[in-house]
Amino acid sequence: TQLLEQSPQFLSIQEGENLTVYCNSSSVFSSLQWYRQEPGEGPVLLVTVVTGGEVKKLKRLTFQFGDARKDSSLHITAAQPGDTGLYLCAGALRGGSYIPTFGRGTSLIVHP
Amino acid sequence: KAGVTQTPRYLIKTRGQQVTLSCSPISGHRSVSWYQQTPGQGLQFLFEYFSETQRNKGNFPGRFSGRQFSNSRSEMNVSTLELGDSALYLCASSGTGQGGEKLFFGSGTQLSVL
Repeated sequence: TQLLEQSPQFLSIQEGENLTVYCNSSSVFSSLQWYRQEPGEGPVLLVTVVTGGEVKKLKRLTFQFGDARKDSSLHITAAQPGDTGLYLCAGALRGGSYIPTFGRGTSLIVHP
Repeated sequence: KAGVTQTPRYLIKTRGQQVTLSCSPISGHRSVSWYQQTPGQGLQFLFEYFSETQRNKGNFPGRFSGRQFSNSRSEMNVSTLELGDSALYLCASSGTGQGGEKLFFGSGTQLSVL
């Protein structure tokens, strides 16, 4: 059983569309991170959220941490081909030694 | 500032062989962690080293081992390779390895076991 469930697993959309990616768990996290990974490269950190209910914006990307700190979402407005990649969420469990848990990722393709 | 460097970039081995992968962290970073990435399982945590000591370990068999040197460079070793060990192996460095800290990943070593 995956501790962090991401959905959808795959997403193929046209340039200009909006999309939301979800990261859910039954566990409480002290912080949650979103990474983007492009083919042939390692993941690159986009954002870290630490407070329940927190919303962070990075240009066209909006990240939200659930009130109970068990889930998070990533919303992309007006997607562009440059947004193509694998989006990974990763959580640090509350109260434990830091062993990061990653979701399996959402593979996004944005067609021009 | 140079990023995280992993060598080699690609590796092809046969079953039963052993392999050593290398990771040079960002200068000044003392925590190095290793991950295995496969399409089916995603990113799985292998272990983390801090100041030459293994501080955390994931749920992998003893065939997977690692070490860290005094200059923070790290190596991981996989002995008696199995077909299922084929994966992208990523290392990441951070300053202290504390929860929520930003991880800087290398480009990975793509290992194929035939």
